[in-house]
Amino acid sequence: AQSVSQHNHHVILSEAASLELGCNYSYGGTVNLFWYVQYPGQHLQLLLKYFSGDPLVKGIKGFEAEFIKSKFSFNLRKPSVQWSDTAEYFCAVTRSGNTGKLIFGQGTTLQVKP
Amino acid sequence: GAGVSQSPRYKVAKRGQDVALRCDPISGHVSLFWYQQALGQGPEFLTYFQNEAQLDKSGLPSDRFFAERPEGSVSTLKIQRTQQEDSAVYLCASSFSRPTGELFFGEGSRLTVL
Repeated sequence: AQSVSQHNHHVILSEAASLELGCNYSYGGTVNLFWYVQYPGQHLQLLLKYFSGDPLVKGIKGFEAEFIKSKFSFNLRKPSVQWSDTAEYFCAVTRSGNTGKLIFGQGTTLQVKP
Repeated sequence: GAGVSQSPRYKVAKRGQDVALRCDPISGHVSLFWYQQALGQGPEFLTYFQNEAQLDKSGLPSDRFFAERPEGSVSTLKIQRTQQEDSAVYLCASSFSRPTGELFFGEGSRLTVL
């Protein structure tokens, strides 16, 4: 069965620090990959996605993620975090062609100290 | 409104009671999903509709869980004879057409079973 593993459950950073959140998935076929974010008191929303092509994808608010097929990874990065990036981040995967069912990781809580 | 609307936002039920959770997707969105999110975990897929057709219900944890979308718009998730392990946030999400994994989520209905 597919699964998604997020290595960091709780990350605390100071403003301007760089961020990298790990995500690995277990599925040998072609996948679509996503990062969703949930800001405090708000609903889940899409941060960025990878379907095909350039493995380095850019999303909103300066976030980017790199798909490394050989490592089954899709790590999220941001060069300089802001206090407003405090949120919970979820990595998710779905099989290409079977995109009705997202498999989510358990999430990483990011706390950015001003 | 412009987003996915869910009601009630909070529901407290005594064990054994039946509950019904409502989801009003974004107008024109043909695909609708239900996810269950336990405390400290990522969302887990429950079921998926395309218009009024329930195309995948593989994630429903037991026959106590039932979902419907009779007119292809509003959906209801019903849980019969609630148990404590049903306590979770139930998320509804929709997408415009054939789902690609890009989902618009509601704020969720938090169910607490005492």
